[in-house]
Amino acid sequence: GAVVSQHPSRVICKSGTSVKIECRSLDFQATTMFWYRQFPKKSLMLMATSNEGSKATYEQGVEKDKFLINHASLTLSTLTVTSAHPEDSSFYICSATASGREETQYFGPGTRLLVL
Amino acid sequence: EDQVTQSPEALRLQEGESSSLNCSYTVSGLRGLFWYRQDPGKGPEFLFTLYSAGEEKEKERLKATLTKKESFLHITAPKPEDSATYLCAVQSWRLYFGRGTQLTVWP
Repeated sequence: GAVVSQHPSRVICKSGTSVKIECRSLDFQATTMFWYRQFPKKSLMLMATSNEGSKATYEQGVEKDKFLINHASLTLSTLTVTSAHPEDSSFYICSATASGREETQYFGPGTRLLVL
Repeated sequence: EDQVTQSPEALRLQEGESSSLNCSYTVSGLRGLFWYRQDPGKGPEFLFTLYSAGEEKEKERLKATLTKKESFLHITAPKPEDSATYLCAVQSWRLYFGRGTQLTVWP
């Protein structure tokens, strides 16, 4: 149980375009979903926390107008990187917590974004 | 300031050579300590949650222990397939990640 999927697994786009990444909890309802960014050989950096039906809470230094998060249901959250630039290239990972097990975050497989 | 430090940064073991990874933390109001395994290009895979000092959890060749200041991940008789980066994370009012220990087990 507690499986989280992400789509796409990798995406290449041109500078200036927008990219949407989906995060789904497959076998549980996610009370909260998180979005992380990871640079090579670095640990995970939390970008934002989202709860279903409410606005996401962004970490300091993360531009909310650039990284749009929508948490429309208890099983789906999306991250849209708007007007992507090469410096946005990174590994984006989502995680989710389940009702009754809110302390444990279950992670998706990640999405590799390359902006040319 | 809340902090999580993992050591060593990298560890090379011969198959069968047991060892331990360390995660030391300074957080206020510990609500849980987590161990994850991360393979290259993949998301972290949940291994263990520890909640209180003295607690131990085991899974196959891995055993995690917790004290008031640190946690150890013991690897007994590791195999090459245990090669990965092992991440420690501590939950207080938010989740803090360490930088990980990159483990390589060679035949």
